[in-house]
Amino acid sequence: ILNVEQSPQSLHVQEGDSTNFTCSFPSSNFYALHWYRWETAKSPEALFVMTLNGDEKKKGRISATLNTKEGYSYLYIKGSQPEDSATYLCAPRIQGAQKLVFGQGTRLTINP
Amino acid sequence: SAVISQKPSRDICQRGTSLTIQCQVDSQVTMMFWYRQQPGQSLTLIATANQGSEATYESGFVIDKFPISRPNLTFSTLTVSNMSPEDSSIYLCSVAWTGGGEQFFGPGTRLTVL
Repeated sequence: ILNVEQSPQSLHVQEGDSTNFTCSFPSSNFYALHWYRWETAKSPEALFVMTLNGDEKKKGRISATLNTKEGYSYLYIKGSQPEDSATYLCAPRIQGAQKLVFGQGTRLTINP
Repeated sequence: SAVISQKPSRDICQRGTSLTIQCQVDSQVTMMFWYRQQPGQSLTLIATANQGSEATYESGFVIDKFPISRPNLTFSTLTVSNMSPEDSSIYLCSVAWTGGGEQFFGPGTRLTVL
């Protein structure tokens, strides 16, 4: 069973501030790491799929980095806006497996 | 990506009854999955829905409790049988075009069991 940990569990940030949070996962047999954003009453939205050690991906004000050797990924949000309020989920995939194993998520609230 | 719909979007059910959740995709997909998120817990895979054959269940989930159908490449159902309050969760379907590819999620079904 993959042990996926996300920290912090919840976070309150002032509008305009930047923030980041962490996803930790076992580094053995790593294949890919998925990040999702899940807003209340909506579908989880795919943000990034990352596979290579040292990979860095960016989508607007959101970016993510990946360290497969030590088993962690950071998600950064620059200049937080109220619409960034959501739960951010990471899910690693191991080699040969089709399923995603999700962390409990980081619930982000942006205060106007 | 694809347009994925689920029915119902939410329901309140009595203990001991069953509920069937439908997942419809607007294009043919290779893989379809069913997840649930119990309150305060992470998204957990229930099973992979296989077209034309029995679903593949994850540890802790059984066919008698969560029968799944997948009659074609665009549609699947999940039934939550003999419900108890512990089954109160958000149930989501997801789809993918390749075995190791990105998964796209439906909007979820919020189930409350009294």
